[in-house]
Amino acid sequence: AQSVTQPDIHITVSEGASLELRCNYSYGATPYLFWYVQSPGQGLQLLLKYFSGDTLVQGIKGFEAEFKRSQSSFNLRKPSVHWSDAAEYFCAVGPNDYKLSFGAGTTVTVRA
Amino acid sequence: DTGVSQDPRHKITKRGQNVTFRCDPISEHNRLYWYRQTLGQGPEFLTYFQNEAQLEKSRLLSDRFSAERPKGSFSTLEIQRTEQGDSAMYLCASSQSTPWWEQFFGPGTRLTVL
Repeated sequence: AQSVTQPDIHITVSEGASLELRCNYSYGATPYLFWYVQSPGQGLQLLLKYFSGDTLVQGIKGFEAEFKRSQSSFNLRKPSVHWSDAAEYFCAVGPNDYKLSFGAGTTVTVRA
Repeated sequence: DTGVSQDPRHKITKRGQNVTFRCDPISEHNRLYWYRQTLGQGPEFLTYFQNEAQLEKSRLLSDRFSAERPKGSFSTLEIQRTEQGDSAMYLCASSQSTPWWEQFFGPGTRLTVL
């Protein structure tokens, strides 16, 4: 069965510093891969996706993610975080054409 | 486009009571999904509809849970004889058939069972 692991429960980063969130997936083939962000009181919002092709994908809000097949990873990065990036981030896989399977999430705190 | 809306946003109930949640998807979306999110976890898929047809149900959806989408527009999720373990955030999302993965999520209904 497919699964997603986000090893870091909570990350604290200074405003202006870089951010990297880890995601590892377990699946027989290359699934569709996603990163979502959930801000307090807001719905989940899609940041970016990977299906195939270029392994470095760009998303909204200045985020990017890199797919590494050899490591079964799909890590999310941002070069310089803003206070508004404080939120919970979820990695997800889409093994079929309807269902998203999410990791447990990583909470990001941004300190001034 | 007002996005996906859910009502109520919060529900507190006593164990054994029935509760019903409503989701209004984005109007042109023919797919509607329900997920459940417990504290410290990511959302878990419960079920989805294409138009009014319920096409898939997770085994998480016990027989106390029922979902409907009678006219292919809004959907309701009912939980009968609630248990404390049902306490969670219930998320609704909608999408078009293609791209199915572009799911737009509502703010959720937080259920607390006392």
